Amino acid sequence: TQLLEQSPQFLSIQEGENLTVYCNSSSVFSSLQWYRQEPGEGPVLLVTVVTGGEVKKLKRLTFQFGDARKDSSLHITAAQPGDTGLYLCAGANRGTYKYIFGTGTRLKVLA
Amino acid sequence: DSGVTQTPKHLITATGQRVTLRCSPRSGDLSVYWYQQSLDQGLQFLIHYYNGEERAKGNILERFSAQQFPDLHSELNLSSLELGDSALYFCASSVASGWSYEQYFGPGTRLTVT
Repeated sequence: TQLLEQSPQFLSIQEGENLTVYCNSSSVFSSLQWYRQEPGEGPVLLVTVVTGGEVKKLKRLTFQFGDARKDSSLHITAAQPGDTGLYLCAGANRGTYKYIFGTGTRLKVLA
Repeated sequence: DSGVTQTPKHLITATGQRVTLRCSPRSGDLSVYWYQQSLDQGLQFLIHYYNGEERAKGNILERFSAQQFPDLHSELNLSSLELGDSALYFCASSVASGWSYEQYFGPGTRLTVT
């Protein structure tokens, strides 16, 4: 079974702090996405990374795809209460064409 | 608002019953994806259709089936329902077929099996 393990599972921090969320697998992915999901709503795509070693920035969010395309990280600088939510990574496994979501990181940013 | 609509929003039914969930993709999107989200299993990909044809299957049970109609709306049929089928069911759409294309998720249908 292919898994995308995310860590930490839960994170509660104060406004203004920095944080990093990790997404790891033993499988190679042709592309990897990061989503944020708020309670009662569907996930919203934040970014897609395709190339090994790729780094993408979205305002205070920095996404990195590992060189071997087996892992990714999401770094948030100066977190704000509006960043609160469930962060999910997801990837398409090369060869099987199956789409897998990570185990999720539930982030709470306190004002 | 993602532009993807799902009906109904909530559904309560008994074990053994059959239900149909409906999804209308964003205007212009040809791909539809179905997902199941539960507390213990997380978000699981079920099935993907592109322009009426099945393109990929995930962890979809044999009791579940789906189709995409000529007008591009899709239905997910769940039969012989079990307590464990209680979950949020999401539909997503994208302009083309392929995981790198951005998927827009609907608000979901919350299914409760009693």
